[in-house]
Amino acid sequence: KAGVTQTPRYLIKTRGQQVTLSCSPISGHRSVSWYQQTPGQGLQFLFEYFSETQRNKGNFPGRFSGRQFSNSRSEMNVSTLELGDSALYLCASSQGQSYGYTFGSGTRLTVV
Amino acid sequence: GESVGLHLPTLSVQEGDNSIINCAYSNSASDYFIWYKQESGKGPQFIIDIRSNMDKRQGQRVTVLLNKTVKHLSLQIAATQPGDSAVYFCAETRLNTGFQKLVFGTGTRLLVSP
Repeated sequence: KAGVTQTPRYLIKTRGQQVTLSCSPISGHRSVSWYQQTPGQGLQFLFEYFSETQRNKGNFPGRFSGRQFSNSRSEMNVSTLELGDSALYLCASSQGQSYGYTFGSGTRLTVV
Repeated sequence: GESVGLHLPTLSVQEGDNSIINCAYSNSASDYFIWYKQESGKGPQFIIDIRSNMDKRQGQRVTVLLNKTVKHLSLQIAATQPGDSAVYFCAETRLNTGFQKLVFGTGTRLLVSP
């Protein structure tokens, strides 16, 4: 069974640009969550989608957005990139809350 | 609040020793806890979980203990191996809220020397 797939693995962007990251969950998993990981802030929740609906959002500015498609694949977008957006962005999928969360390997975003 | 903290940022052990990684959580409403292992260049990997109606759960070489009175979690790794070297995170969440959100601790780096 394939795991959670995130693309691309690495990205280098310039300040002010925008970026789109992709996540394909495990087959059958309808919940997809996104997390930002930085050395200073650790793992921070960005948002969670279920059946194409955003159910919860973390404390991040509106520049961070996401969506989920009918096949449960999800994308997140960051507009007007800032240096502080450099981080590992992780996606996790789940069958349901009590089934745990499986993470992908992440997308390493570097903003220069 | 929503803080999940760890007492020790780095734990160094010898191969074969037992390791204990601790975690304190602050949200008394949390009822589901997960330990993750993260190796360099990889995403967090599920190790073991526990619900708040339990105080102990065992897996293969790992045991999680939950003390709700003092809001404390621990992960015990028996016969620690070099392959166990990684950063370990505890995470908490509340079930049946209509959404899914994990609150992570700051992480403990486990270093296992041969």
